[in-house]
Amino acid sequence: GAGVSQSPSNKVTEKGKDVELRCDPISGHTALYWYRQSLGQGLEFLIYFQGNSAPDKSGLPSDRFSAERTGGSVSTLTIQRTQQEDSAVYLCASRRTGNEQFFGPGTRLTVL
Amino acid sequence: DAKTTQPNSMESNEEEPVHLPCNHSTISGTDYIHWYRQLPSQGPEYVIHGLTSNVNNRMASLAIAEDRKSSTLILHRATLRDAAVYYCILRATMDSNYQLIWGAGTKLIIKP
Repeated sequence: GAGVSQSPSNKVTEKGKDVELRCDPISGHTALYWYRQSLGQGLEFLIYFQGNSAPDKSGLPSDRFSAERTGGSVSTLTIQRTQQEDSAVYLCASRRTGNEQFFGPGTRLTVL
Repeated sequence: DAKTTQPNSMESNEEEPVHLPCNHSTISGTDYIHWYRQLPSQGPEYVIHGLTSNVNNRMASLAIAEDRKSSTLILHRATLRDAAVYYCILRATMDSNYQLIWGAGTKLIIKP
């Protein structure tokens, strides 16, 4: 079956522009996570969705970052007024039950 | 959050066993030990997890010290495709978000 997909795979934008990153989780997975990964670093948690519960936004670095998950499936991460320090790979993962998180290939964001 | 300590990098020869160590001296009795790996330019993938007993699956084995303050991921016969960054992560069983706190991991280099 299909895994987690993310689009676009690469995004280059100018400082100050808004960007939207998309994640399509594995069908039937109720939990969805967003992380970001700077070069050579581990993953930094951003936000977590679980079913119809209120999302855990505790990892969002500023109010320029927001995310939504429509219909319990597709999720969009939005970064407003992008800054150069937002450049990173943004990873999405989904989980059904149990411990294993399934990751997408990521979106590489470059802010010029 | 309990933290893990891993060597920055390790080298191994192809077709030989690899032992990747992880120290977690502040682990609590309810923390699971997870291992993920990240191949170049890909999202992380789950490898194995355990609580107290040693675990085996098709990818690897996890050996957990009796005091649980350290663990070792064992790849029984490394191939070039096992070259990746390996992350050792603790997750509290009481954490319903199944949130994972990622360190920098160990970069495994496989020599042909």
